[in-house]
Amino acid sequence: QVQLQESGPGLVKPSQTLSLTCTVSGGSISSGSYYWSWIRQPAGKGLEWIGRIYTSGSTNYNPSLKSRVTISVDTSKNQFSLKLSSVTAADTAVYYCAREGIAVAGPGSFDYWGQGTLVTVSS
Amino acid sequence: SYVLTQPPSVSVAPGQTARITCGGNNIGSKSVHWYQQKPGQAPVLVVYDDSDRPSGIPERFSGSNSGNTATLTISRVEAGDEADYYCQVWDSSSDHLVVFGGGTKLTVL
Repeated sequence: QVQLQESGPGLVKPSQTLSLTCTVSGGSISSGSYYWSWIRQPAGKGLEWIGRIYTSGSTNYNPSLKSRVTISVDTSKNQFSLKLSSVTAADTAVYYCAREGIAVAGPGSFDYWGQGTLVTVSS
Repeated sequence: SYVLTQPPSVSVAPGQTARITCGGNNIGSKSVHWYQQKPGQAPVLVVYDDSDRPSGIPERFSGSNSGNTATLTISRVEAGDEADYYCQVWDSSSDHLVVFGGGTKLTVL
């Protein structure tokens, strides 16, 4: 059974960089059959996709966040990470990591999710 | 960018059928996925590729997609189905961007 677990600081100061890591267990992040994504959800609001990474290191980002986001992968640790720079209060949210399938026509659905971690941006 | 439109809320009595719609321009040409999210929990995939169910999801959950509307249908609704539901597609026209609908709160009366 694949499991994903987010980790990182729960409090980040404005203008600083938010850093989170997702550890994957029960399967190899290098399998090549999946993308690995970050998704966030402000309190009481909907889901917002941040971006994804493939095992090769290739990435896609949400255009609305692209200038501030970096997603990287460490296959030796079976982890992938998120960095979001110049954060403001608007970046306060629950951050999820998720596994995204690869379909014939392109990206598929998110079949496994981490439990989510709340990151608050405040001084 | 591609936009998915869901009704903010749907209410249904136990045992009845709930239909949650997801509107988008020519959405019938895309694969639509549906997620259930209960308070304080991560989303759970309930329907993928328009109408397929992951292992462990009851047959009461079904999906369809045609034209400009995709629909998640929940038959014989139970109290435990009360949750937020999100539709999702990927937009091939913009760097494989993932798009979520705004979500629908299903209330079981």
